[in-house]
Amino acid sequence: GDSVTQMEGPVTLSEEACLTINCTYTATGYPSLFWYVQYPGEGLQLLLKATKADDKGSNKGFEATYRKETTSFHLEKGSVQVSDSAVYFCALSDRQGAQKLVFGQGTRLTINP
Amino acid sequence: NAGVMQNPRHLVRRRGQEARLRCSPMKGHSHVYWYRQLPEEGLKFMVYLQKENIIDESGMPKERFSAEFPKEGPSILRIQQVVRGDSAAYFCASSSGLAGANTGELFFGEGSRLTVL
Repeated sequence: GDSVTQMEGPVTLSEEACLTINCTYTATGYPSLFWYVQYPGEGLQLLLKATKADDKGSNKGFEATYRKETTSFHLEKGSVQVSDSAVYFCALSDRQGAQKLVFGQGTRLTINP
Repeated sequence: NAGVMQNPRHLVRRRGQEARLRCSPMKGHSHVYWYRQLPEEGLKFMVYLQKENIIDESGMPKERFSAEFPKEGPSILRIQQVVRGDSAAYFCASSSGLAGANTGELFFGEGSRLTVL
């Protein structure tokens, strides 16, 4: 079945460092890809998404590009802030059953001042 | 502007007891989804409901688990005769309808953490 594999955490960086959280997927067909973020004490929020190959999703300085050839959707940010500390989840959905999001295990990111 | 509200946030039960988890979707949302996160794993889909209807329960364990979303009131995830393996975080999400579902824009609650002793 479909699956998502994320870079294992936790990840600790200094403020203004460059961030990459790896995400690869296995799916039949052509899934949509998502990054969700969970800030401390809050629910998961959609951070960005891409619905077809070569699409780039972006939000709050984060970017991820849908790479069909490498089945990847890595999350990147050029300069992280303390407020980016959170757990990040990569997820996919097939076109027919979008409510059945398939999640990776999550990556906890801590940014130190 | 309340988001998805889940309660209780933390629940402790002894083996054999029942656990009831509640979820109130965002205002205006009529579609509710339940996900479970076992320790060190990703969230896994359990069930998708609309008001008074179960649309997809393919992720629900066959026994002891049930879900409902009545015409009035919150959605309820019920676990009967809990076992230690049920210890997990249970997340509820809502969307406004098919448009929200197809774009993956689900709005999640903070989760209910069940511990079975």
